[in-house]
Amino acid sequence: DTGVSQDPRHKITKRGQNVTFRCDPISEHNRLYWYRQTLGQGPEFLTYFQNEAQLEKSRLLSDRFSAERPKGSFSTLEIQRTEQGDSAMYLCASSLVSLMNTEAFFGQGTRLTVV
Amino acid sequence: GDSVTQMEGPVTLSEEAFLTINCTYTATGYPSLFWYVQYPGEGLQLLLKATKADDKGSNKGFEATYRKETTSFHLEKGSVQVSDSAVYFCALNRNTGNQFYFGTGTSLTVIP
Repeated sequence: DTGVSQDPRHKITKRGQNVTFRCDPISEHNRLYWYRQTLGQGPEFLTYFQNEAQLEKSRLLSDRFSAERPKGSFSTLEIQRTEQGDSAMYLCASSLVSLMNTEAFFGQGTRLTVV
Repeated sequence: GDSVTQMEGPVTLSEEAFLTINCTYTATGYPSLFWYVQYPGEGLQLLLKATKADDKGSNKGFEATYRKETTSFHLEKGSVQVSDSAVYFCALNRNTGNQFYFGTGTSLTVIP
């Protein structure tokens, strides 16, 4: 297992375009998180899945943001009609939640630049 | 609500100096506490963790002790190296919680 994988690593897009990012979690992990990180700040929670169920999405930044995790495996994060303020690093993390284990493992992130 | 406050940076140290990065938290119940490290252009890597009061997490010469009485989880290393230069994030997760709460990060630069 090579850890959490995110694709692409970098994305440059024009304002108004839609973008989609993919995250492949560690295979046995049941929980998957999406975070956004802007320069000089800590990660900001967006949403998370327990298996295929999206249990929290109220923190998604606007209705332009959506996430899916079909079949409880990989996940996608889509941003529609991108704006310059969406430029950031988007981080995915996964964890195997149990009574004894709560740490999350992060991917290397997708850096989005909206021009 | 839950939150993490950590020492602002940037911090610049000479090689072999002693490092302390302060972290305090606010949370209900008994959260797990973490330190993550981020190297330039990379995602976050788990450095160490502690899941209950008085636990000490340690890894690669770094240590942090879960102090419930002071709601703190300060990161320490006795002798830093140039390769420790990175941004360090303190974080918490309530064991039944649905998200991690991160501090704003502390940038560390170690000079030879």
